[in-house]
Parts: sequence; C-alpha cells; structure tokens
Amino acid sequence: DTAVSQTPKYLVTQMGNDKSIKCEQNLGHDTMYWYKQDSKKFLKIMFSYNNKELIINETVPNRFSPKSPDKAHLNLHINSLELGDSAVYFCASSLTTSADTQYFGPGTRLTVL
Amino acid sequence: GDSVTQMEGPVTLSEEAFLTINCTYTATGYPSLFWYVQYPGEGLQLLLKATKADDKGSNKGFEATYRKETTSFHLEKGSVQVSDSAVYFCALHKTGANNLFFGTGTRLTVIP
Repeated sequence: DTAVSQTPKYLVTQMGNDKSIKCEQNLGHDTMYWYKQDSKKFLKIMFSYNNKELIINETVPNRFSPKSPDKAHLNLHINSLELGDSAVYFCASSLTTSADTQYFGPGTRLTVL
Repeated sequence: GDSVTQMEGPVTLSEEAFLTINCTYTATGYPSLFWYVQYPGEGLQLLLKATKADDKGSNKGFEATYRKETTSFHLEKGSVQVSDSAVYFCALHKTGANNLFFGTGTRLTVIP
C-alpha cells in the first residue's frame, strides 16, 4: 500500500552514461514533483507536473528530462551523467498544484563514478 | 524571494532533554508552514503543519506554533527519545504556488 514509490533505491553508474529513475503514486494525486537533495541535505525542487503537463522547470541542465506517461507516473531521465549529479532524488506528489501537503517517496541515491 | 532559514546543526541531546529547532521564514502573504522529518536511510515524512497565524501543529509529542509577528515556526519537544534521531526540515508553501521551499535541515542525534 505504498503511497509514493521510486525505483531503483540505489543507482551506481559511470560518468557519461544515461539512466532513468521511475516514480509512481497510488494516491490519485494530480501533481508530482522531483526534488534533488545534495550531500549537505539541501532539498531543491527540479520539476513539477500537473496531470502530465510540465508546471515548474527550475534551473536544471537540459540533460535532465522528466516524462509523465500518465498522472500517476513521473520518470526522470538523465543523459550524460556527471559527477555533480550524485545526490538523492526524491519524487513527491500532492492532490493538486495548490495543495500544500506533499507526500514523498523513499528517494533514489544516485552515485556517479 | 521566499525562503526558510533553519537553525544549523548538528544538535546532540541526551534522552529526555528538551528540544528546540529554530525556523524563520520570509514570504509575502500567508504561507503554510511544515516540519518534515527524514529518518536515516528513508524519505521525508510530514511531521506537522500549520496553515495560518497562531495555529499550532502537533504530532508524536512535537509541536510548532505559527508566529506571524516573528515569522517563525520553531519545533519543540519536551522529552526526546533515541528514536527521534533524524534530520528535520522546515518548509513553507505559498498559496497559489506549487512547490515547497525547504530549509537546510537540522540533524538531531539523541544519545541514551
């Protein structure tokens, strides 16, 4: 009965590779998000989708491309991985774009070697 | 712009000690305020929230009061336990916006 799930939990890869992280929510929410948490635990929004449409696209390299096949899924594809991409990536969802409470997934720890 | 400033950690306390983690915010209008907790190796969980001035959010013995006059939302607990060891994040959500602004997190370690 997991509300927001992410796969994989851990991802270790070489520089220059392309990888994807998947996120699914079973809460019936319209809005989903990707956050990046750096090594100092600082959390920052990357993207927000509402009903499969991009709402927020913060200053993120265009190597990062989110894809939302339906409103329950928001995947994150990263091209040409760099060392600085190493972080924990959190998916989250909320009932609507203006709903204040967000529910977070368990995170995906990405390590780029 | 909107921002959240949190007390720098880490904070180390003995079991049953009193906890305060300070949080102040900058935002126009009337944001909702949150405390999220991240236990080791896990994602963020909502701990408590308050949506208007003078509201008090509470959960699991933790509480925080939305103080508009001091733009603060300090987290308190009267008697911490070892199981409270985690990173605590203060966050705000502005009406009409659709993302959370987080503070930098405060790591709490409670020793027996």
